[in-house]
Order: sequence, then C-alpha cells, then structure tokens
Amino acid sequence: DVKVTQSSRYLVKRTGEKVFLECVQDMDHENMFWYRQDPGLGLRLIYFSYDVKMKEKGDIPEGYSVSREKKERFSLILESASTNQTSMYLCASSPRTGNNSPLHFGNGTRLTVT
Amino acid sequence: GQNIDQPTEMTATEGAIVQINCTYQTSGFNGLFWYQQHAGEAPTFLSYNVLDGLEEKGRFSSFLSRSKGYSYLLLKELQMKDSASYLCAVRDSSTGGGNKLTFGTGTQLKVEL
Repeated sequence: DVKVTQSSRYLVKRTGEKVFLECVQDMDHENMFWYRQDPGLGLRLIYFSYDVKMKEKGDIPEGYSVSREKKERFSLILESASTNQTSMYLCASSPRTGNNSPLHFGNGTRLTVT
Repeated sequence: GQNIDQPTEMTATEGAIVQINCTYQTSGFNGLFWYQQHAGEAPTFLSYNVLDGLEEKGRFSSFLSRSKGYSYLLLKELQMKDSASYLCAVRDSSTGGGNKLTFGTGTQLKVEL
C-alpha cells in the first residue's frame, strides 16, 4: 500500500519566516506534487516534479520553491511566509507509467501564518 | 487552461441514489478521476474514465462523455459514511507532463437519515 507521509500535521509560523514542508513516499514513484487546498477554491497545483532534481511550476508557484534531491522526498519551501499562505498543503505521488495512475495523497499539513 | 465545474453541495437520504455531475473544458483531454475526501483527511481515489461510457465499482459508478465534456459519479445505497466531499479531476496532455491533474472545487455531499 502506497504511503505518502508529510512531516507535520499542523504548523504555526510567523510572517517572514522561512518554512519547509517535507513529504516522503515509499513506493518509488517518479512523480511528486504539491497542492494547496482552500475553501471554495479546491486543490490548486503549486509545483510538481517528474524526477530527481527536476521541477516544474504548477498553477500558483509564486512565493514557493521546491527541492527534489532524492526520489522519495519532495520539499516545499516558503522563502518568506505571508498570511495569504495560510492553507492546507497536500503532497501527492504517482508512478510515471500509465495514464490511469491515480495520485496518492498524504494527510496534509495545515499551515497557519500569523 | 481548464475549467471544471461541479455543484458545491448536495443532500441525499440514506439508502437512496445520488448523482454528482462534473463538466469540464480542456484542449487535450487525457482522463478524468473522481476522488473522495472526508473532512480533515486526504483525498482517496475512487474511479478513472478515459473512454466514453460507464465504469462500475461496487456501489460507485462513473460515467464519461468526451464529446459533451461531462462526467458523473453515481453513488447507490447511500450510507452515512458517504458524507464527504467528492472531487472531479481532469488530466490534460496539452499542459505538458502527462500526469498533471487539475481539480474542481469539490461537491460536499451530506447523507441524512
């Protein structure tokens, strides 16, 4: 069974802090994704990665960066946290092959920026 | 870009059948997914359609019409535990990176006694 683990369930950070959200998957998936989920807006893609060292911008990359140094780990970085980045952050992974491969999600990190 | 529409909320009775619709506009359709998400939990995969027609999986079925840009999720014999948000997501090959999914805002289903 695929397991996607996000390091923190809840985080509270101050405006201007640098924030790291960590995600690890144990199924050797090539693809990894970071989404944020907000009421009324649904899931929006921030960044994704198809392989180690590779990254591509999603629909809302502003204010974020990512790191994929190892295949199993995909980190989301908020260089200088702002209150509008208060949200639920969801990491997901999927294998490269097969169009019907679903995303497997972690349990999410609820980030509050004060 | 993509535009995915689904109703915000629906209410149904335990034991009944409910249909949740999803319409989409995309330039390079490459599959449609339905996910279930309970409050405070991660989305979990329910179904996948890439060809027209009905896919049945137990109490849940999903239908796709590519020419109409339309899908629905059908839930039969509703149970209280089916109260959740149902997310429609479309894969678009024209956006580059075949596995990128764009999600609708979700339909919050409430099952009542």
